[in-house]
Amino acid sequence: EVQLVESGGGLVQPGGSLRLSCATSGFPFSSYWMSWVRQAPGRGLEWVGNIKEDGSEQNCVDSVKGRLTISRDNAKNSLFLQMNTLRIEDTAVYYCATSGWPWYWGQGTLVTVSS
Amino acid sequence: EIVMTQSPATLSVSPGERATLSCRASQSVSNNLAWYQQKPGQAPRILIYTASTRATGIPARFSGSGSGTEFTLTISSLQSEDFAVYYCHQYNNWPWTFGQGTKVDI
Repeated sequence: EVQLVESGGGLVQPGGSLRLSCATSGFPFSSYWMSWVRQAPGRGLEWVGNIKEDGSEQNCVDSVKGRLTISRDNAKNSLFLQMNTLRIEDTAVYYCATSGWPWYWGQGTLVTVSS
Repeated sequence: EIVMTQSPATLSVSPGERATLSCRASQSVSNNLAWYQQKPGQAPRILIYTASTRATGIPARFSGSGSGTEFTLTISSLQSEDFAVYYCHQYNNWPWTFGQGTKVDI
């Protein structure tokens, strides 16, 4: 059974940091680009960034460049999102997903940035 | 950045009726277009990719068409479980982008 389980979300103050994790199983994690996608409360979806199979290349949207960094540990089938200098507008549910086919998604973890 | 525009914002239909959802890209995305369904409190679920390929386990009443800048998702006969928000998504150019969604309700 394919599983992607995000963790690490919670309440953090503006300017703070948080590290999200995504533990995967049931598919060859190291063979796929992986992504983070977020959804602010009551809003649409935003693709945050992705990372190549071996971690040698990453892409992030301009709104998070320099603050959010994607990494992975293929030995542990895990994906990470390091979030620094958080802003109120980063409040969202964060999903990990394969970058395209086979289109696997996790259930998300909520990050709330508030004082 | 490629802007994806969906119409209508809300589509009111009855069970058994046909629903047609549109998605327009600000520039060509070839056929690198996917459709997702999302219900409240749930993660998005892939329905269609490469504009017209149904994902595994998706019923045949869902179909996708189009290429370039104009795309359509058709639900041939709405079932009660199909009332949800639908998003189109282009993965042809980085940054990948989504439409703002179409809510299908009764």
